[in-house]
Amino acid sequence: GAVVSQHPSWVICKSGTSVKIECRSLDFQATTMFWYRQFPKQSLMLMATSNEGSKATYEQGVEKDKFLINHASLTLSTLTVTSAHPEDSSFYICSARPLTSGRGRSNIQYFGAGTRLSVL
Amino acid sequence: AQSVTQLDSHVSVSEGTPVLLRCNYSSSYSPSLFWYVQHPNKGLQLLLKYTSAATLVKGINGFEAEFKKSETSFHLTKPSAHMSDAAEYFCVVSVSFGNEKLTFGTGTRLTIIP
Repeated sequence: GAVVSQHPSWVICKSGTSVKIECRSLDFQATTMFWYRQFPKQSLMLMATSNEGSKATYEQGVEKDKFLINHASLTLSTLTVTSAHPEDSSFYICSARPLTSGRGRSNIQYFGAGTRLSVL
Repeated sequence: AQSVTQLDSHVSVSEGTPVLLRCNYSSSYSPSLFWYVQHPNKGLQLLLKYTSAATLVKGINGFEAEFKKSETSFHLTKPSAHMSDAAEYFCVVSVSFGNEKLTFGTGTRLTIIP
């Protein structure tokens, strides 16, 4: 259980084009999904927190207009890199936090396999 | 505020010998602590988690970690390394309530020597 699917796994695009990355929780509902960026041999940096039915919350320094996030349902969030440039080339990883019932909240996040974006 | 420090960027051990990956944390509130593993070009897989229950936490693939509040540590151990354990390991801290953001350590690359 707790599988997160991320698509595509690898994408190459020309500079100036836009790329959409999908993140789906396959066997659970997630009110909150997270988008991370990882540079080679470095740790994950949180870009934004995506809540179903509301606007995403972006971390300081992340351009909202460049990285568009939509969380239209409890199982799907998308990240669109608009007008991509070579410096946007990176490994993008999403995660999902399961919706829990009862007391307390789970802060476990389940991660997708990542999307490697190469902008030429 | 919360932070996590992974003391070693790279650890090499021989197959069949013990593994120790060190992690120290800082948190203003009662923390939740996690270890995730990332194989090359893959996403992250949860190894184990500490959420204020037992201080010795057992995870998958024979890994375990001990929460030591007095030392603010959460070191990851395994009695006998396997070749398949070669990967990047991340220690992660989060507060147990409210802000669900995960704060990642810089990672430790584990190499297994045949």
